[in-house]
Amino acid sequence: QVQLVESGGGVVQPGGSLRLSCAASGFTFDNYGMHWVRLAPGKGLEWVAFIRFDGSNDQYAASVKGRFTVTRDNSKNTLYLQMNSLRADDTAVYYCAKTYVLLSIDVWGQGTTVTVSS
Amino acid sequence: VVMTQSPLSLPVTLGQSASISCMSSRSLVHSDGNTYLDWFHQRPGQSPRRLIYKVSNRDSGAPDRISGSGSGTDFTLKISRVEAEDVGIYYCMQGTESPPTFGQGTKVEIK
Repeated sequence: QVQLVESGGGVVQPGGSLRLSCAASGFTFDNYGMHWVRLAPGKGLEWVAFIRFDGSNDQYAASVKGRFTVTRDNSKNTLYLQMNSLRADDTAVYYCAKTYVLLSIDVWGQGTTVTVSS
Repeated sequence: VVMTQSPLSLPVTLGQSASISCMSSRSLVHSDGNTYLDWFHQRPGQSPRRLIYKVSNRDSGAPDRISGSGSGTDFTLKISRVEAEDVGIYYCMQGTESPPTFGQGTKVEIK
């Protein structure tokens, strides 16, 4: 079955960096675009970033553009999110999510928690 | 595209029906003819799970008490005969235009 497993979350100071990973299995990874979506405390779901199936195009929310970078290694079936210049309002559970067509999501990972605090 | 859900809080009685509205600021009909409006359910401490895709198609794991309808800019999720397992937050999401966007979420709780 389709499985997405995130890792790499933790506590980091403001201005710091963190790299999240998402290991995919149960489907042909290099056939599908992938998203990162986050859920901040007391807030709703917020789309963060998207990368095409072949890595040729990436898109970002305005709140993270210039600070976050999404990449993928199709040989390792793994999605990444490099997060730099972290701020307190980046504190959230970060989910990777698989598309089923275009930008639409069908499966989510279990999430990894990022806390930005001094 | 701005997605607006209502209500944001929905107390329901077990066995009764519940409806959630989701309205988009622009038509969600894609140039390929499909409407990419999906519904997700998130229970506390869990990741979201898709219930409905492309407006009205129920996922295999979703109960048949769940149904989706609508077109253009106006969509509805209906839960018939609410059960305890239905509590949580429901989100609509559009994937027609970039960037993809979510509604604010509707919190369903049992009265």
